[in-house]
Parts: sequence; C-alpha cells; structure tokens
Amino acid sequence: QKEVEQDPGPLSVPEGAIVSLNCTYSNSAFQYFMWYRQYSRKGPELLMYTYSSGNKEDGRFTAQVDKSSKYISLFIRDSQPSDSATYLCAMSASGTSYDKVIFGPGTSLSVIP
Amino acid sequence: SQTIHQWPATLVQPVGSPLSLECTVEGTSNPNLYWYRQAAGRGLQLLFYSVGIGQISSEVPQNLSASRPQDRQFILSSKKLLLSDSGFYLCAWSVPGGEETQYFGPGTRLLVL
Repeated sequence: QKEVEQDPGPLSVPEGAIVSLNCTYSNSAFQYFMWYRQYSRKGPELLMYTYSSGNKEDGRFTAQVDKSSKYISLFIRDSQPSDSATYLCAMSASGTSYDKVIFGPGTSLSVIP
Repeated sequence: SQTIHQWPATLVQPVGSPLSLECTVEGTSNPNLYWYRQAAGRGLQLLFYSVGIGQISSEVPQNLSASRPQDRQFILSSKKLLLSDSGFYLCAWSVPGGEETQYFGPGTRLLVL
C-alpha cells in the first residue's frame, strides 16, 4: 500500500462548481498536511497548510483533515478556469524539516468556462 | 521576500553526457534544500536534501549526486546521463525547524536522448 494515495483524475467540472479533491494515507503518525497547486510545466506552489485534524479556510479554498479516517480533502468553491491545474497533497509526521514530506501523485483538474 | 531560482529551464542532453543543474535561494539564511524529480503523471520523488553547507543526504541510489558549495546554492550533477534520468527536476527550500512547508522553484525539464 502506498503511503499517500490520490485519484489522478482527470477531473473536469464546469465553471462555478464546487470541487472536492481527496487523499488517503496509511501512516497514522502524519500530523502536518499541505495542498499544493501545480500549473503545467511549473513548480508546485503552496495553497494550504494544516496541522492535525479540523478545517482551515482561505478564500475559496477549504482544507479538511480527518485523522481518524486518514483522509484529507481540499474544497474549491466557485471554481474558475484559472483553478485548472494539478493538485498535490503532502504530509509529514513531525514539525521539523528533517522529517520527510510525502507527496501524493496529484489530481489533474480542468474547470471548463 | 524569499525567491528560489533554477536554471536552465529546459535541457536536452545525449545519453552519457554530464549534467549540472543549479538552484539558488534569496532572502533567507541556512535554508533546508531539496532536489526532487517528477516523472510524467507521477508524484514527486525526493532525491537529495541538505541541512547545511556540505551536508547532503541521498534518498535513492542513482547516478546523480548533489553538492551544496554555499549556504543558498544547491547543485544536482551527473557524470553520465541515462535515458531514465529524463524528467522534471524541482528544487525546494524550507525553514529549518519551522513548519513543514516547502517552497519550490520553477523546475528544469530534462530530456535525455
């Protein structure tokens, strides 16, 4: 079983839709969770960072962590064509950079005008 | 503000030729530095990380090597490229002892023919 799993998509939605992107993981020690957005041929950029369980909201984006189910989600409200990108989840066990960050393979999202 | 640079942006090299990719970070001191490879449709594979000048940890055996000759400079090298070395190479940095967030450069697309 892979440490972090993510549906690769592609996911195609109409503009204005609510998008739900998800990752599951197997290591119960993970406490730090991140979502990155990667446009084609660009480096990933950090979207959201959360610690432990709960929700975090930033504009149209909401990150949700359910540690009991080992499941994290990213919701995008009022999706825009500019949201079309690959979304990578990432997680680690400790709060120091010495601990490896594990990335999911990414979900490709297309928002159709 | 912090900035991370990578060059070249694109590189086409013959099999057996040497490689040198450079990454520099501005606006921060003593960052943790990382080299990742991202194959098409796959997740990020951590190749090397460094917590200080001359301190390099290798994550996977391969014909690549890394060096950190200066605090904010990270170099990825190979003496003889293989076809399998083709991919998208990303440099990233993070704050030592800080949050787990890593910040990525624009990437170098390498094609070995």
